[in-house]
Amino acid sequence: AQSVTQLGSHVSVSEGALVLLRCNYSSSVPPYLFWYVQYPNQGLQLLLKYTSAATLVKGINGFEAEFKKSETSFHLTKPSAHMSDAAEYFCAVRSSGGYQKVTFGTGTKLQVIP
Amino acid sequence: GAVVSQHPSRVICKSGTSVKIECRSLDFQATTMFWYRQFPKQSLMLMATSNEGSKATYEQGVEKDKFLINHASLTLSTLTVTSAHPEDSSFYICSASYTLGPHNEQFFGPGTRLTVL
Repeated sequence: AQSVTQLGSHVSVSEGALVLLRCNYSSSVPPYLFWYVQYPNQGLQLLLKYTSAATLVKGINGFEAEFKKSETSFHLTKPSAHMSDAAEYFCAVRSSGGYQKVTFGTGTKLQVIP
Repeated sequence: GAVVSQHPSRVICKSGTSVKIECRSLDFQATTMFWYRQFPKQSLMLMATSNEGSKATYEQGVEKDKFLINHASLTLSTLTVTSAHPEDSSFYICSASYTLGPHNEQFFGPGTRLTVL
């Protein structure tokens, strides 16, 4: 079984401030972890993914996430928020086995205040 | 590369009619396609997984007779919502992957907004 929990359905930050979106996972086998971004009425775009290589993963648009096994966490960060970062962010987990089912968190809506 | 398209992007239909949504992988052959449903302000829920040339595997609670999935080729999967009702109104998103390997990635389509009147 696998699941993800995203703490905070809404996060507001000022433009230029640090972005921190929290994600904790549960998986019975070593997981693959993903962060996706969704703009209104659009599909999902992959920001970054962890697949058991480096624990600090860098993604697009200046985002990065760190896999911490001891904390079962995969928090998403960005040093300086831009207005264009305002969107919905989803953390997702997939088992490292052959089955490809991806389980998504409930999402965090990021608001960037000018 | 790895572009997935969906058609139509929006559809409005009357209750009781059927609606077909297409999902295409434009620049790769998708061995597996996935269909998700997303209700307003909620996360994506996997409805079914389809492999080319075989029957789709539906998630628990998803009616296979209502949501017909066909994956006739390596670049096309269709989802038909039969006898649609207002509660079927949702955002439907497909994704496609091209290998069953451990590092494969799912590429998502832009979604289809279905409104049933």
